[in-house]
Amino acid sequence: NAGVTQTPKFRVLKTGQSMTLLCAQDMNHEYMYWYRQDPGMGLRLIHYSVGEGTTAKGEVPDGYNVSRLKKQNFLLGLESAAPSQTSVYFCASSQTDFYEQYFGPGTRLTVT
Amino acid sequence: AQKITQTQPGMFVQEKEAVTLDCTYDTSDPSYGLFWYKQPSSGEMIFLIYQGSYDQQNATEGRYSLNFQKARKSANLVISASQLGDSAMYFCAMRTSYDKVIFGPGTSLSVIP
Repeated sequence: NAGVTQTPKFRVLKTGQSMTLLCAQDMNHEYMYWYRQDPGMGLRLIHYSVGEGTTAKGEVPDGYNVSRLKKQNFLLGLESAAPSQTSVYFCASSQTDFYEQYFGPGTRLTVT
Repeated sequence: AQKITQTQPGMFVQEKEAVTLDCTYDTSDPSYGLFWYKQPSSGEMIFLIYQGSYDQQNATEGRYSLNFQKARKSANLVISASQLGDSAMYFCAMRTSYDKVIFGPGTSLSVIP
């Protein structure tokens, strides 16, 4: 039982490049989330999904897209990376909205 | 608007002493949940404790307890018998019917031997 895994753990991009972050969970959770964490700040929600095939915008969705084609996977895409997207990205999943979230180990992304 | 405030950027506590980390929240939704998470220097987020707005008793989980004062809109985390491994960032978070979970800015706790 791996819980929530994220791929990759680290990535360096040049401005304008694109990439996809993969999140996978093996707990059969319906809800999945993508957050970003910046120094001195808590986590901010980028996008979330309440089930397979559904996605919705969070607090800071601009510049990101997501897809949830399979229940266990939640992908976060950056189409044209910007230095402002340098951050640590966390994926999380939960059974429902009012249950605790289980987090992945994070992806440290640097955009130069 | 929903908001979480943690006014203590950094805290120090002597090993084996108790410490209280403050959290205040703002919401007009009568149904909400409050969470505390721990983030050690290794970076992972670890769930500690949960309190529902309709729960009559304060939540407890081992050495962690949540001092829930609904009228004051506060949900302080109390860690008893601090250990060196408790040194970490601690985040208070809230879930309401209107929004997904929102997080406070965090409090850095350092346990002194």
